[in-house]
Amino acid sequence: GENVEQHPSTLSVQEGDSAVIKCTYSDSASNYFPWYKQELGKGPQLIIDIRSNVGEKKDQRIAVTLNKTAKHFSLHITETQPEDSAVYFCAALYTGTASKLTFGTGTRLQVTL
Amino acid sequence: DTGVSQDPRHKITKRGQNVTFRCDPISEHNRLYWYRQTLGQGPEFLTYFQNEAQLEKSRLLSDRFSAERPKGSFSTLEIQRTEQGDSAMYLCASSPKRGQATDTQYFGPGTRLTVL
Repeated sequence: GENVEQHPSTLSVQEGDSAVIKCTYSDSASNYFPWYKQELGKGPQLIIDIRSNVGEKKDQRIAVTLNKTAKHFSLHITETQPEDSAVYFCAALYTGTASKLTFGTGTRLQVTL
Repeated sequence: DTGVSQDPRHKITKRGQNVTFRCDPISEHNRLYWYRQTLGQGPEFLTYFQNEAQLEKSRLLSDRFSAERPKGSFSTLEIQRTEQGDSAMYLCASSPKRGQATDTQYFGPGTRLTVL
């Protein structure tokens, strides 16, 4: 089955700096890669996703890049703000036969003033 | 669109008791998923429904667990004879039925289960 590894497990940045979180996946058939933000006591909130036919996607301060050859994808947050502090999860899915998301272990991002 | 809702938000029970959780998906989403999340980990897939049909179950879903979606709308997850190892956040997600959007899963707030 699919295995997703995520790094780093914790990340501390100063407000205004950029943050990068990286994930690798094992199943070359995976073709959909969402990123979720989870605040304490809440469910995961979808923040951005990318499909395998696209190399990069951007939404305001958030961008995701995908390297299918290397089987890794990354989340980039620019101009970080204190409200970006949360746990971020990457996930992978093969849309052909499976509907289950396989998640990474999460990155706790802390944005300090 | 009110989002995925789950009830209860918190449940404390004694070992050996049965518990049932409810999930109401986003209106007109025909796919519904259950995940379990333990502290410090990402969500792990439990089971998935398309309309009322349960199409996939994880090995994590032991015979003490049962899920239903009788009319293709809300779903229930029941755990019988709870064990301390069942303590976790139980998350429900739903996805739309058309095109590429069927891959996009929207999560509810979760039910936190504590087994004493």
